[in-house]
Amino acid sequence: DAGVIQSPRHEVTEMGQEVTLRCKPISGHNSLFWYRQTMMRGLELLIYFNNNVPIDDSGMPEDRFSAKMPNASFSTLKIQPSEPRDSAVYFCASSLTGFFSPNTEAFFGQGTRLTVV
Amino acid sequence: AQTVTQSQPEMSVQEAETVTLSCTYDTSESNYYLFWYKQPPSRQMILVIRQEAYKQQNATENRFSVNFQKAAKSFSLKISDSQLGDTAMYFCAFMKSMDSSYKLIFGSGTRLLVRP
Repeated sequence: DAGVIQSPRHEVTEMGQEVTLRCKPISGHNSLFWYRQTMMRGLELLIYFNNNVPIDDSGMPEDRFSAKMPNASFSTLKIQPSEPRDSAVYFCASSLTGFFSPNTEAFFGQGTRLTVV
Repeated sequence: AQTVTQSQPEMSVQEAETVTLSCTYDTSESNYYLFWYKQPPSRQMILVIRQEAYKQQNATENRFSVNFQKAAKSFSLKISDSQLGDTAMYFCAFMKSMDSSYKLIFGSGTRLLVRP
């Protein structure tokens, strides 16, 4: 497996524009996490899915942020409209979790560096 | 709510020496996972070591070992024979189940510099 794949690797956009970040989890994994990393706030959990269902989105900062997981192999994180303070590195991670997964761990994508100017 | 605390923002160690990074967490659960992740300048998140809470034995991976104190809710990482390639951010992480799903949260990280 190629691991967790995120696209794009870098995104520069103007304030007010819509931004869509994409993630392809590892095949067979049942949990997917979206994180935002900044110097000030560290790694923040934005939302996570289990079996394609959003479980906890309490970390999503505002209504401008939304995430979807239409199937087991794809997820998106959308920001509309984007603002300069959204500039950060966004990570997607996937995991095989459950009672019968004693070796569970989260595998991370390479991240998307978003710059909003 | 679960929290993970790393009280050392930065640490420095001489090459070949041993260093210990601290982590404490807060939970009322009895069954959970703990992890240490490494993030080098490439920003890739790399799993260093994993510990299941139900296991009393401390996990070890080559030069990396943990001191897991469940009652004290402490999970420190010891790096022996430090190498220049160990220079990175290190994150402590906690994963617990919520119903049938698992939530993974991270501490604020410790920046480790290995000096030649």
